[in-house]
Amino acid sequence: SQELEQSPQSLIVQEGKNLTINCTSSKTLYGLYWYKQKYGEGLIFLMMLQKGGEEKSHEKITAKLDEKKQQSSLHITASQPSHAGIYLCGADGQGAQKLVFGQGTRLTINP
Amino acid sequence: DTGVSQNPRHKITKRGQNVTFRCDPISEHNRLYWYRQTLGQGPEFLTYFQNEAQLEKSRLLSDRFSAERPKGSFSTLEIQRTEQGDSAMYLCASSPRGVLGTSGRGNEQFFGPGTRLTVL
Repeated sequence: SQELEQSPQSLIVQEGKNLTINCTSSKTLYGLYWYKQKYGEGLIFLMMLQKGGEEKSHEKITAKLDEKKQQSSLHITASQPSHAGIYLCGADGQGAQKLVFGQGTRLTINP
Repeated sequence: DTGVSQNPRHKITKRGQNVTFRCDPISEHNRLYWYRQTLGQGPEFLTYFQNEAQLEKSRLLSDRFSAERPKGSFSTLEIQRTEQGDSAMYLCASSPRGVLGTSGRGNEQFFGPGTRLTVL
């Protein structure tokens, strides 16, 4: 079965700094999904990546899927307090409908 | 607000009691998913429906768990004879995948706020 590992598990950065979160899969990724979760709440969909080498941006958040489609990274530029939360990567295998998730990365932004 | 809604948001129950949660998906979405999330972990898949048909169930879904989506709209998740190990956040998601006319081939799922269950 597919497993996703995220690194780091937690991250504390100064406001205004850049940061990167990684998601590594045990198998080839067919669809990679990034979500953000505030503590005790549901998941907010950020971006979906499907093609090797694909890169998408939304405001100050950029996500990439590497060429071999086994790793994705999420990069935040000039972090703000509103970026704080738990970032989760999810993936579906070929023909699969369910998403498998990583354990999450807890991001704290210090003012 | 036309997002996914879940009720109740919080449920505290005693061990051995039955509980039922409701999920209302985004109206035009034909796929509905249930996940369970425990503290410090990512969500784990429980089951999913396409319209009213339950197409896949996880091994996590023991005999005490049952899910329905009777008219292909809202869904309910019932847990019978609750145990302390059932304490978790129960998340519902919906997806437009497979609906005629939707763009893209992705499986992006949109989540509700969750129901937090505490079993005493």
